[in-house]
Amino acid sequence: DSGVTQTPKHLITATGQRVTLRCSPRSGDLSVYWYQQSLDQGLQFLIQYYNGEERAKGNILERFSAQQFPDLHSELNLSSLELGDSALYFCASSVDRGGHGNTQYFGPGTRLTVL
Amino acid sequence: DAKTTQPNSMESNEEEPVHLPCNHSTISGTDYIHWYRQLPSQGPEYVIHGLTSNVNNRMASLAIAEDRKSSTLILHRATLRDAAVYYCILSAYGGSQGNLIFGKGTKLSVKP
Repeated sequence: DSGVTQTPKHLITATGQRVTLRCSPRSGDLSVYWYQQSLDQGLQFLIQYYNGEERAKGNILERFSAQQFPDLHSELNLSSLELGDSALYFCASSVDRGGHGNTQYFGPGTRLTVL
Repeated sequence: DAKTTQPNSMESNEEEPVHLPCNHSTISGTDYIHWYRQLPSQGPEYVIHGLTSNVNNRMASLAIAEDRKSSTLILHRATLRDAAVYYCILSAYGGSQGNLIFGKGTKLSVKP
């Protein structure tokens, strides 16, 4: 158990819909990262938040957005869903902003299926 | 970002040591070498990391070449539970971004 929790575990929805994925980081960790894992693209970094502020952006679509709340939990919002958005979405947390050792602890993931 | 090259797959027998290689010929002086693994149906899991010297922890050992252009993750006695995809990743010290860039990794199979 990494200490990172993600809800829900599974999500099935239809094209065009909007969903919210939730992540609670390990106690004391200030950074939250979101990654997407699909069969054809592998693990791709989406976005990082550090202590409530956006810190880095990766291959995140404009239809996707995220935020980190004062209690440090984070939500990833996916809208106008397409079939290609079906994937595993992982959240990770680390104690600092990044670089250096920057050990990241990953949650169990949310499996999103868009029908 | 500096890239890493790993074999697509490797096989090992249970109870035997496993040496997983990683080439990173364009590594910079401030890049740390990280290893993560992903067991089936789970999120990636931190294994070990190092900068210049060899490192040991309860999970594995990391051997870093003197010129730092390659490294080897060593599992001393493979168990069935070690069957996973192993990722070798570089991250810059003090870099502005903390995200990990995952390649395809090495899929390790462990035979009983």
